[in-house]
Parts: sequence; C-alpha cells; structure tokens
Amino acid sequence: AQKITQTQPGMFVQEKEAVTLDCTYDTSDPSYGLFWYKQPSSGEMIFLIYQGSYDQQNATEGRYSLNFQKARKSANLVISASQLGDSAMYFCAMSYNDYKLSFGAGTTVTVRA
Amino acid sequence: NAGVMQNPRHLVRRRGQEARLRCSPMKGHSHVYWYRQLPEEGLKFMVYLQKENIIDESGMPKERFSAEFPKEGPSILRIQQVVRGDSAAYFCASSTTGSALAKNIQYFGAGTRLSVL
Repeated sequence: AQKITQTQPGMFVQEKEAVTLDCTYDTSDPSYGLFWYKQPSSGEMIFLIYQGSYDQQNATEGRYSLNFQKARKSANLVISASQLGDSAMYFCAMSYNDYKLSFGAGTTVTVRA
Repeated sequence: NAGVMQNPRHLVRRRGQEARLRCSPMKGHSHVYWYRQLPEEGLKFMVYLQKENIIDESGMPKERFSAEFPKEGPSILRIQQVVRGDSAAYFCASSTTGSALAKNIQYFGAGTRLSVL
C-alpha cells in the first residue's frame, strides 16, 4: 500500500527566509511520481512541483525545489525567500497505479512579516 | 490550475436530497478525477473517468455515489440521499494523460464544499 507521511502539522517562517517541508513515502512500485500542492485559505489546490522516480536531478520551479532522496524515500519541499502569500497548507502526494494520487495530511505554513 | 471549472463552489443540502457536482476539465484534457477532502485531512481518490468511460471507481462508496463524463458537457459527481457524513470538499482534477510515467500532472479545480444539514 502507498503511504505519504508529513510529520509537521504546522510551521512558522520569517519572511524572506527559506523553509523545508518534510515528506516521506512508502511504495514498492519502481515507477511513481511525487507532487507538491499548495492549498491557500481560499481552498483551491495549486500544483507546485513534480518529481519522477527515475529523474536523476532534483526538480526546481522558481522558488520551489524538491529535495528527492530516493534511498530514504523522502521528497522534501524547499521554499526559498518566503513571502506572505506563501502562507497556506502544503500537501505532498504520490501517484500510484499510474494515475491515483495519495495525499499526506498536509503541513500548514505561516509566514511572519 | 487555471482552467478546471467546478460548480457550484458551495452547496447546501438537507439529508435525503440529491447533490450534483459539476466539473469542466481544462481545455485539451480528456482525463478527469474526483477526490474528496474531509476536514483536516488530505484528499482521497474517488473515481477516474475518460470521456464516456469510468476507468476506476475503486475509491467511491458503493451506494448513493455515481459519476459520469459524457461525450458532451461536464463531468458530474452525483450523490443521492445525502447524509451528514457526506459533508466534505469535493475536488475535480484533469490531465492530458493517465500515466504517471508520462509526468501526469493533475490540475485541480477550486472544489465544491458540500454541507449536509
């Protein structure tokens, strides 16, 4: 069974600093995708970044980077130069059986001015 | 995630009524997924559809829930005889492909918040 674990229920970060959100996963499938989504207080789910299990390099998208450590089964999200608008819930997800996404419980990030 | 349109954004139903949730995928996307989010939890997969076909409904309750994605028009998630436990946020996502091997990014709509009184 696929399982996603996010151990940090809430985090505070100072504006302009970096923050790392932890995500570990468990799967026996060799092929899978890892995703991070942002859910602001308005409720929509916004795609941030993707990492494929066979990708050799860590994914980056602007201020977002994914620290992929395959042997440790971790896919941590790093947000650099935090902004007030980054305050939201962040979900780590993994695709399994090709198309289903399994989500973690989420981490709430609050950016302080 | 621009482009996946869900309506209504909020829906209030009394116990026993029917709820119909609509989802129009992004332009060019033929794969639609429905997920349910209970308070303080992550999203849970319900069903995966392509045009006129249900591919996987393994996450959907066996009774009262149904989904369709007709040749023309939006995908519909239908909940009959709603109960309080159906209160949740229902999200629709769409993608261009159904395979994780092809970087299957699922883009989500803003969700429908269903409240059952």
